[in-house]
Amino acid sequence: DAKTTQPPSMDCAEGRAANLPCNHSTISGNEYVYWYRQIHSQGPQYIIHGLKNNETNEMASLIITEDRKSSTLILPHATLRDTAVYYCIVRVAYDAGNMLTFGGGTRLMVKP
Amino acid sequence: NAGVMQNPRHLVRRRGQEARLRCSPMKGHSHVYWYRQLPEEGLKFMVYLQKENIIDESGMPKERFSAEFPKEGPSILRIQQVVRGDSAAYFCASSPLSGVYNEQFFGPGTRLTVL
Repeated sequence: DAKTTQPPSMDCAEGRAANLPCNHSTISGNEYVYWYRQIHSQGPQYIIHGLKNNETNEMASLIITEDRKSSTLILPHATLRDTAVYYCIVRVAYDAGNMLTFGGGTRLMVKP
Repeated sequence: NAGVMQNPRHLVRRRGQEARLRCSPMKGHSHVYWYRQLPEEGLKFMVYLQKENIIDESGMPKERFSAEFPKEGPSILRIQQVVRGDSAAYFCASSPLSGVYNEQFFGPGTRLTVL
């Protein structure tokens, strides 16, 4: 799997948008960008994924650059419950046997 | 639809004892993955199983660790003769047999403490 680079930590004010960047300059054409988060040592939680188009769901939006070398996860209105470690992962989507490779992630602290 | 279930949630063992961790995947899921998270570290893949088959065990320590996913019942991760370095959180994830994206859904984890 291609490797990703994320800032180790970020702060965000409650109610404001949290923008979490991820670099994946060696991503392959058949690899998707996935985001998971881990809240206080709970099991990781799937957030969103995308290939090249921007994606949005009830949790977040994912913006992928045209060259696919980087992406940004956007939490539009961060709450205290969004404090977590956020992991950006690239992997082939259609292969059920493809394990997730977690890097260090970004520790997001949402402050009141 | 219940999520991935793991038990026990906390397990304490003395050095040399055996630890058995159980994982029940989500209904309809036939792929199970085990990950380990050492204190203050990220999650590391250990093993991938389908019913009655180990597909990929490239992340499993060569000794003392084994995993199974029988035709009936939960997946079991077994650690024999535990040592203090085995203290960690062990997470199980499952994904469906078919599905476009095969995202993995994680359980709450089992926290193993070796005294």
